[in-house]
Amino acid sequence: GAVVSQHPSRVICKSGTSVKIECRSLDFQATTMFWYRQFPKQSLMLMATSNEGSKATYEQGVEKDKFLINHASLTLSTLTVTSAHPEDSSFYICSASRPGGTHEQYFGPGTRLTVT
Amino acid sequence: KQEVTQIPAALSVPEGENLVLNCSFTDSAIYNLQWFRQDPGKGLTSLLLIQSSQREQTSGRLNASLDKSSGRSTLYIAASQPGDSATYLCAVPFGANNLFFGTGTRLTVIP
Repeated sequence: GAVVSQHPSRVICKSGTSVKIECRSLDFQATTMFWYRQFPKQSLMLMATSNEGSKATYEQGVEKDKFLINHASLTLSTLTVTSAHPEDSSFYICSASRPGGTHEQYFGPGTRLTVT
Repeated sequence: KQEVTQIPAALSVPEGENLVLNCSFTDSAIYNLQWFRQDPGKGLTSLLLIQSSQREQTSGRLNASLDKSSGRSTLYIAASQPGDSATYLCAVPFGANNLFFGTGTRLTVIP
């Protein structure tokens, strides 16, 4: 199989604080992981692409200093939302792909972030 | 720039009916297309992946077709069940591995 987990599944934080979300590939090594954001009733929008051992590539309009991504190992990528604001409240989903193969992405269950 | 459109945006059908969901994309230079299912407040479940060299893929009651030249894919669901109720998303790659998602079709199967 190809299982991807995310932790936490839900988090509520106060405005101005930072929140870390973890994405793990449980049974395979993921050289590349992706972070998406999904607002209510909208589709997923790619935020950044994370490669193990190198800096993440951010999509246009995504603040790299606000959304810190670390891909420290072949099975773990983290997204830290710094100085969170209510407008950062969203559903964050990560995915991972295996090296080579079909370019298929395997998605985590998502993290619901609510900033009060 | 790739644009992915899904029609209809929402669909309600009675249980047992066969149905077709549509996905269209503007840039036909794709190497695969994926169909996903998303339940409310949940992540994505991959249903089918069609490589660019393939015309269709089948998994159980699901059949996905791909016509690259016309920029279209369909997802056929046979004998729909209430448990099929979810949002269905199609996605195509752009760049090295990134996925570009359609806006989804919200399916409701009425018992």
